Amino acid sequence: EAGVAQSPRYKIIEKRQSVAFWCNPISGHATLYWYQQILGQGPKLLIQFQNNGVVDDSQLPKDRFSAERLKGVDSTLKIQPAKLEDSAVYLCASTRDLTLEKLFFGSGTQLSVL
Amino acid sequence: KNQVEQSPQSLIILEGKNCTLQCNYTVSPFSNLRWYKQDTGRGPVSLTIMTFSENTKSNGRYTATLDADTKQSSLHITASQLSDSASYICVVSAGGSQGNLIFGKGTKLSVKP
Repeated sequence: EAGVAQSPRYKIIEKRQSVAFWCNPISGHATLYWYQQILGQGPKLLIQFQNNGVVDDSQLPKDRFSAERLKGVDSTLKIQPAKLEDSAVYLCASTRDLTLEKLFFGSGTQLSVL
Repeated sequence: KNQVEQSPQSLIILEGKNCTLQCNYTVSPFSNLRWYKQDTGRGPVSLTIMTFSENTKSNGRYTATLDADTKQSSLHITASQLSDSASYICVVSAGGSQGNLIFGKGTKLSVKP
């Protein structure tokens, strides 16, 4: 089966600019996550969607980060304006049912903010 | 506070040798514990998932153990290969329909020829 697709693979921007990341989860996976992974750290949850509804966005810096999953399939994560500390890998993951199902990750978007 | 601690932070071993990575957690309620392998520049890939009642699970040369009483898990890699070089992340699920995954910082393993 096709995996979780993410684009772009790499992005370099200057601080205060805007950036958007795209994720296409595995077909049939209702639950979608965006994680931020800073170098040397484990992934940190930013937002969790169940279909097109937000389940958990408690750790999303809402003053600059936004995410949507309008049709319950693809999702976009936006940062506006970016700060230096936003430099990280942004991982998208999906699953059918988190109770005992695997979480499938995309390869991530590596963001460098200069 | 829910936490997952991994040790060592990094490890270098020679090809063909065995190694064991450790994970200690303070997560409540506990649902399951997962080990992921993350190659450089890639997303994590699931190795094992263990529930409270399971104390060992294997996936090829990878064997995970779980002691729910002491809240410790280990990942043992047998006959290491160069392709085992990666970060290994321990993840504990705090349960509930939302899953509430708690990630460790990972152990970076380097296998040298």
